[in-house]
Amino acid sequence: KNQVEQSPQSLIILEGKNCTLQCNYTVSPFSNLRWYKQDTGRGPVSLTIMTFSENTKSNGRYTATLDADTKQSSLHITASQLSDSASYICVVSAEYGNKLVFGAGTILRVKS
Amino acid sequence: KAGVTQTPRYLIKTRGQQVTLSCSPISGHRSVSWYQQTPGQGLQFLFEYFSETQRNKGNFPGRFSGRQFSNSRSEMNVSTLELGDSALYLCASSWDRLGHNEQFFGPGTRLTVL
Repeated sequence: KNQVEQSPQSLIILEGKNCTLQCNYTVSPFSNLRWYKQDTGRGPVSLTIMTFSENTKSNGRYTATLDADTKQSSLHITASQLSDSASYICVVSAEYGNKLVFGAGTILRVKS
Repeated sequence: KAGVTQTPRYLIKTRGQQVTLSCSPISGHRSVSWYQQTPGQGLQFLFEYFSETQRNKGNFPGRFSGRQFSNSRSEMNVSTLELGDSALYLCASSWDRLGHNEQFFGPGTRLTVL
């Protein structure tokens, strides 16, 4: 069964600190993995898309890693800002691109 | 380039009524997907349309239907509304196949069923 599991479910950190969000998947066959940021009440915004051959991809203070062997991905946020408070969703494309499998998301709160 | 737009942004209906939501994709995008998002279930895939044809469908009852027009604009319809249909409905567009191309989401329509 195609599944995407994210941890932790929620996280509170102080402004300026770094944090890492985890995503484990059991999806086959794998096409790509995406990380989205969703602010409350708004649509998700794409942060990164990684294919099988990519290990690391950055987008500003956001760095995603992918280990296709262990089927794990992480999203690292550097020097967090209050505006980073949001839900972060991991999505894996499966079945030759015909299906997207969504994780439940990690709710991040950055406080001053 | 204008982003994905959804109308209306907010909607209040009563049980048993039906509702139609609209989505205009980014110009040039041919794929439109619909999602339901609730606090307990997260994002759930409803269906994807490409060139006026439904290409993929999630596990939702037949009360949920959609269509796509020749200009790629899409509508989603929910008939015989239930309390559990209260959710944020998101539309996303991509240039081609949703699994191979980046998706751009609209702001969503917040549906409340009383």
